[in-house]
Amino acid sequence: DADVTQTPRNRITKTGKRIMLECSQTKGHDRMYWYRQDPGLGLQLIYYSFDVKDINKGEISDGYSVSRQAQAKFSLSLESAIPNQTALYFCATSPSGVWDTQYFGPGTRLTVL
Amino acid sequence: AQSVAQPEDQVNVAEGNPLTVKCTYSVSGNPYLFWYVQYPNRGLQFLLKYITGDNLVKGSYGFEAEFNKSQTSFHLKKPSALVSDSALYFCAVRDRMDSSYKLIFGSGTRLLVRP
Repeated sequence: DADVTQTPRNRITKTGKRIMLECSQTKGHDRMYWYRQDPGLGLQLIYYSFDVKDINKGEISDGYSVSRQAQAKFSLSLESAIPNQTALYFCATSPSGVWDTQYFGPGTRLTVL
Repeated sequence: AQSVAQPEDQVNVAEGNPLTVKCTYSVSGNPYLFWYVQYPNRGLQFLLKYITGDNLVKGSYGFEAEFNKSQTSFHLKKPSALVSDSALYFCAVRDRMDSSYKLIFGSGTRLLVRP
């Protein structure tokens, strides 16, 4: 969905490096989410933000941090990447008060060697 | 904790035939159930949801899902499959998260529609 963009789309990095994944949206939504997708496991919630000043940990936040720079931007950082963080990462948005109908970006495929 | 299970990793169907993608759930209380679809190189897209009311829910792209409380199932269906329906399908259920809710996703089922 072009309304939610993620950069980069693909990234290969080495163990111990700091990586930032960026998400931008033009939908005007207050809520933003970061998920990771592993084969055969579905999606797991890493962090979520209900507005610029409201950031919360999800199910698997260890090893990750986030920054909500503006309503439209939500970045995910891996402070010191490790191989088991190799996954597909998705950003999603939803309007204020709405949690069930989420709009997803195209994903970032991250490989940690 | 709420959970959903998708027992089939892959479903194969011929174009024009009906399709079913299975989902079972385990919840405490009333279930809020969802289907999302992921096309190749794209993010997930919302298809439909069940909250209450009619057990047959209609969604996008001609898909529908049947809620069955006695069988704790929420199977996705379409009367006539298209090759363009080939994608990864996720069932999801609502779970409590702090002052709001979150989606718990199943492991996904790959649908392959052959011409």
